Amino acid sequence: DTGVSQNPRHKITKRGQNVTFRCDPISEHNRLYWYRQTLGQGPEFLTYFQNEAQLEKSRLLSDRFSAERPKGSFSTLEIQRTEQGDSAMYLCASSLANGGAFFGQGTRLTVV
Amino acid sequence: EDQVTQSPEALRLQEGESSSLNCSYTVSGLRGLFWYRQDPGKGPEFLFTLYSAGEEKEKERLKATLTKKESFLHITAPKPEDSATYLCAVQAGSNTGKLIFGQGTTLQVKP
Repeated sequence: DTGVSQNPRHKITKRGQNVTFRCDPISEHNRLYWYRQTLGQGPEFLTYFQNEAQLEKSRLLSDRFSAERPKGSFSTLEIQRTEQGDSAMYLCASSLANGGAFFGQGTRLTVV
Repeated sequence: EDQVTQSPEALRLQEGESSSLNCSYTVSGLRGLFWYRQDPGKGPEFLFTLYSAGEEKEKERLKATLTKKESFLHITAPKPEDSATYLCAVQAGSNTGKLIFGQGTTLQVKP
């Protein structure tokens, strides 16, 4: 068990560019979550997958954001036409049903 | 609306000086309350899950307790390596496992 893995760890992009992040959950976990965290705040829920189905999306997730989890394994989070307000730490977590969520180390996005 | 509030926002202790962190919550149908530790630039590290009022969990110098309205994280004889941000989160309502976090308490333990 290598834990939840996220790539890249850091990403600097110019405003208006598209970015994609990857998350590899703990292998036996069927639930996968994306959260966003800004400095001094707790993580905010973005979206949730059970296996390959995306079952819930926060109203924070504008239509510039899209997430996928093909085949119920790894997941990607894409942000199109990035804005400076998208700068944050993007966290992925996975869990078993009714279990505690285990987080990855996050991807720090800086939009310049 | 489900809400989690942590206090204090920041806490400075001397090594060995015990204290408690508070997490107050208002949720519709609590499924679980979670404590995490987060070091700067890293993801949250899972500490405890509490499911019902009266439940307690311990790990080394940390002890978490739960009532119907709040949870406490007691830190006994802290060491400098306990310095971190401690996050409280609740899982409520629908069975999605979604967590609602407080803003965290940043703990600094001085030697």
